[in-house]
Amino acid sequence: GAVVSQHPSWVICKSGTSVKIECRSLDFQATTMFWYRQFPKQSLMLMATSNEGSKATYEQGVEKDKFLINHASLTLSTLTVTSAHPEDSSFYICSAIRPLGRETQYFGPGTRLLVL
Amino acid sequence: DAKTTQPPSMDCAEGRAANLPCNHSTISGNEYVYWYRQIHSQGPQYIIHGLKNNETNEMASLIITEDRKSSTLILPHATLRDTAVYYCIVSNSNRDDKIIFGKGTRLHILP
Repeated sequence: GAVVSQHPSWVICKSGTSVKIECRSLDFQATTMFWYRQFPKQSLMLMATSNEGSKATYEQGVEKDKFLINHASLTLSTLTVTSAHPEDSSFYICSAIRPLGRETQYFGPGTRLLVL
Repeated sequence: DAKTTQPPSMDCAEGRAANLPCNHSTISGNEYVYWYRQIHSQGPQYIIHGLKNNETNEMASLIITEDRKSSTLILPHATLRDTAVYYCIVSNSNRDDKIIFGKGTRLHILP
């Protein structure tokens, strides 16, 4: 199946610092990627849609100035959590769309962020 | 909001078939039914999808009712590694169509 990677797999940072998470589609090009956040024992919540070469589209309630998304190439999207606080601690997951007859989303392994 | 309804949890004995139901009574004509699963602390894994015909692949079978208002994912011979949360999703599969996850079904495979 299609492979989507994320880096880092986990990160611990101090409150007030910024953290960048990378999402790569390894064997296909993805003009659209998505970023999700998942808190313990909850389902995935869509944060934003990342479009190559254009601005990301954010879901209601997600601060675009806090969660910066850049989709500079067809295989890479980055999510930067700026001025992270403990409440930003979560499991962040990206996905990329690959044509499979019909478009199918493939998900990365996730990045666990802990803000102290 | 998610467009599907699933039981919150199910148990299945190892080696038996696991049948996971999903209701999607408001599905529209151009929407597909997708199934994903999420094993603890991992990203979701694509399983299968279909429009109106039944589908089968190496992982599972998908049975969609004739009126398309419900479907069943079948894992033919469940193993302990199939323990996960299973998500049923409807999507029209446009390039920009986002997936909204519901709460899914937590499947426990019992030894």
